[in-house]
Amino acid sequence: QVQLVQSGSELKKPGASVKVSCKASGYSFSNYGMIWVRQAPGQGLEWMGRINTNTGNPTYAQGFTGRFVFSLDTSVSTAFLQITSLKAEDTGVYYCARGNQERGGGNVWYLDNWGQGSLVTVSS
Amino acid sequence: DIQMTQSPSSLSASVGDRVTITCRASQRMDSFLNWYQQKPGKAPKVLIYAASTLQSGVPSRFSGSGSGTDFTLTISSLQPEDFATYYCQQSYSTSWTFGQGTKVEI
Repeated sequence: QVQLVQSGSELKKPGASVKVSCKASGYSFSNYGMIWVRQAPGQGLEWMGRINTNTGNPTYAQGFTGRFVFSLDTSVSTAFLQITSLKAEDTGVYYCARGNQERGGGNVWYLDNWGQGSLVTVSS
Repeated sequence: DIQMTQSPSSLSASVGDRVTITCRASQRMDSFLNWYQQKPGKAPKVLIYAASTLQSGVPSRFSGSGSGTDFTLTISSLQPEDFATYYCQQSYSTSWTFGQGTKVEI
């Protein structure tokens, strides 16, 4: 079965960096997109961006440029999210999700499988 | 970016009620609209994609409709396990966005 398993919780000081991993299994990694979503404490879902698992080309949402980097290691079917120069407002749960595309219709993209989430806490 | 506005932000309902949540987009987006359910402490789960297609394994009491700018998620008969927060999400533009969520409470 499809699984996305994320790395564990992290506690970091402001200014530090963190790298979250998302290991995929149960499907052909490069046939689906990978999307990152943030959820701040008590808040809604924020689309951070996506990475093309064929080309490695990332697309970042406004507000997630500069300090946020998506990357891949296709040899182990793993996606990564790195955040540098951490700030208190980066605190939240970060999810990876598989992007699937509807076939035979309008080719709508949707998120059909999600990781369990990785809590990143930024505090001095 | 396309802005997604859900209404209401929260609602109270009883088991067996018919519940309707709406999502309005700031511009037309055909049927590039998905609905997710999230329970506390858990990852979201897709219910409906492409506005009206039920994801495999999702109970048939969930349905979606709409096109263009106005979309609706309907739960025909609310069950105890349906108390959760629901999000719409568009994948029409280069930058995807979520609605702010609708919390369904007892």
